[in-house]
Amino acid sequence: EIVLTQSPATLSVSPGERATLSCRASQSVSRNLAWYQHRPGQAPRLVIYDASTRATGIPARFSGSGSGTEFTLTISSLQSEDLAVYYCQQSNAWPWAFGQGTKVEIK
Amino acid sequence: QVQLQQSGPGLVKPSQTLSLTCAISGDSISRNDTAWSWFRQSPSRGLEWLGWTYSGSTYYNDYVVSVKSRMTIKPDTSKKQFSLQLNSVTPEDTAIYYCARARGGNFAYWGQGTLVTVSS
Repeated sequence: EIVLTQSPATLSVSPGERATLSCRASQSVSRNLAWYQHRPGQAPRLVIYDASTRATGIPARFSGSGSGTEFTLTISSLQSEDLAVYYCQQSNAWPWAFGQGTKVEIK
Repeated sequence: QVQLQQSGPGLVKPSQTLSLTCAISGDSISRNDTAWSWFRQSPSRGLEWLGWTYSGSTYYNDYVVSVKSRMTIKPDTSKKQFSLQLNSVTPEDTAIYYCARARGGNFAYWGQGTLVTVSS
């Protein structure tokens, strides 16, 4: 079973600064990795799929990179509405798995 | 535009059954490249995938091991919806429950969420 480990657990970033979130897989997931944004009181929202493709309606400040076991979600210029927990998810092997989440706080 | 609309009670007594429904618009429950899923989110567990139903020669299910013995997910093709039943609930089952569509390896569409509290 593939385990996804996200770091850091909490990230405090000033508005306008860059936020970098990491997701590490216990074995290769190729590029079958997605990122989700979960704002308080809202449903999760798909942000990135296939490691680096932005989902429909996602602003260009969000970007994903990586392959194999190391992945990164970058928010180039943090906005107040980006306050959320971000989860990575792999679909390369059954059972699909989610990471434990990174909470992005506004400093 | 795909939309998932959840319905069901927000309060369930311990040992009873939690029942939720997810109505689908803008998509077909019968597509064989799609799985219709249930999740829950709580402070202690984070976001947890519970299970799904998907169409093949019949309808199939997969469930997370931790709830497999207590959970049933059923499609209703005539009403274009699918349901979740979780038996013998305890306060540990208190969470926000979400339905979602899985296609192409990810979950692009989600229901609005239902807070279910297990309490007497």
